[in-house]
Amino acid sequence: NAGVTQTPKFQVLKTGQSMTLQCAQDMNHNSMYWYRQDPGMGLRLIYYSASEGTTDKGEVPNGYNVSRLNKREFSLRLESAAPSQTSVYFCASSEARNRVVTSSNQPQHFGDGTRLSIL
Amino acid sequence: DAKTTQPPSMDCAEGRAANLPCNHSTISGNEYVYWYRQIHSQGPQYIIHGLKNNETNEMASLIITEDRKSSTLILPHATLRDTAVYYCIVRPNRIKAAGNKLTFGGGTRVLVKP
Repeated sequence: NAGVTQTPKFQVLKTGQSMTLQCAQDMNHNSMYWYRQDPGMGLRLIYYSASEGTTDKGEVPNGYNVSRLNKREFSLRLESAAPSQTSVYFCASSEARNRVVTSSNQPQHFGDGTRLSIL
Repeated sequence: DAKTTQPPSMDCAEGRAANLPCNHSTISGNEYVYWYRQIHSQGPQYIIHGLKNNETNEMASLIITEDRKSSTLILPHATLRDTAVYYCIVRPNRIKAAGNKLTFGGGTRVLVKP
């Protein structure tokens, strides 16, 4: 059982390049999330998708776009990468009872991250 | 979400129990206590959560004080693979999806020594 799978694991980009980070989960979860983690800091939510067909901004959405391709897949796109976006990116998923209200006693399951460096 | 306070680091001997404290004195009645850990170079891993009763699963036990202002995560027989940063998080029971994000504080860096 793979859980949450992220690709690629590592990537180096030049400033201004574009890139899409892929995330897929096989747990039939409704909700999916993208976080970034910078050295010495906790996770910050970039975007989330409460259910298939919906996406919403988190704390730090600027410079990113997302697509909830289907229930399994949630991708994160950097249209014009900047050095400030150098980070480790984590995708997560969780169950949700409906599109509006989630029972937060449903834990989030994380992928192993994508380490992105922008020069 | 209620603020949590954890010691920045602690050591534990392999094979012994590791007891990780967390203070959450401003916790509200509808807030759960969650524990996650992050092993180096991996994504955060869910461990356990509880509301007011003690909980146990295959990974750990969670002891919540009667006034719910603090809790302790117990790893019964620590192994070298349990070396990680452990995060205590407090979150409401039912929230709109807009707020369903995890806020990780500094956590406790646990080093299990042979």
